[in-house]
Amino acid sequence: EPEVTQTPSHQVTQMGQEVILRCVPISNHLYFYWYRQILGQKVEFLVSFYNNEISEKSEIFDDQFSVERPDGSNFTLKIRSTKLEDSAMYFCASSEEIQGGNTIYFGEGSWLTVV
Amino acid sequence: AQKITQTQPGMFVQEKEAVTLDCTYDTSDPSYGLFWYKQPSSGEMIFLIYQGSYDQQNATEGRYSLNFQKARKSANLVISASQLGDSAMYFCAMRDLAKTSYDKVIFGPGTSLSVIP
Repeated sequence: EPEVTQTPSHQVTQMGQEVILRCVPISNHLYFYWYRQILGQKVEFLVSFYNNEISEKSEIFDDQFSVERPDGSNFTLKIRSTKLEDSAMYFCASSEEIQGGNTIYFGEGSWLTVV
Repeated sequence: AQKITQTQPGMFVQEKEAVTLDCTYDTSDPSYGLFWYKQPSSGEMIFLIYQGSYDQQNATEGRYSLNFQKARKSANLVISASQLGDSAMYFCAMRDLAKTSYDKVIFGPGTSLSVIP
């Protein structure tokens, strides 16, 4: 069964360092998303991406964050200068365009720990 | 604005019994989708079941069924014959289907389910 894959599964980084989280969405999907979940808290929307541009972003997705799809398969989330409060599980997700129903499938997540 | 409420922070169920996890939602959009996801302790987010707002019948997927009551704006998840592996966090989620660019899913706060042997 096709799935969304994410790398790395866990990354520890020093505060102020840049981090890139990578995702390979399901191949026929057109919509891509990043979510985050701070430990013990709810899942929060960060950004959605369609047709090679951001379609929506939340207040969390400030200038420190960026997304791109550099080669038509990978979908990356970059955090330019990490802060302690960026420590969270980051989920990539994707969905295809189907009238009447469109499930969003999530990857297994990337744990980011900022120290 | 859309909002998801899950009023049960934690639930216990005896193995092999059925359990209902509550979810209510609020939206002014006429067309929306409702989802349930399972998050085990390993952290991944697993899709369980989907219900469209215009679906005539309640969704079922194996041991999972969704008790959809549109007028009450509730979408409770029923797990039949609970298994130890069902112990996890369960999230109710919703997505607006009316927009041409498919909208994000928003999540409720989750319910932690523990299955007791």
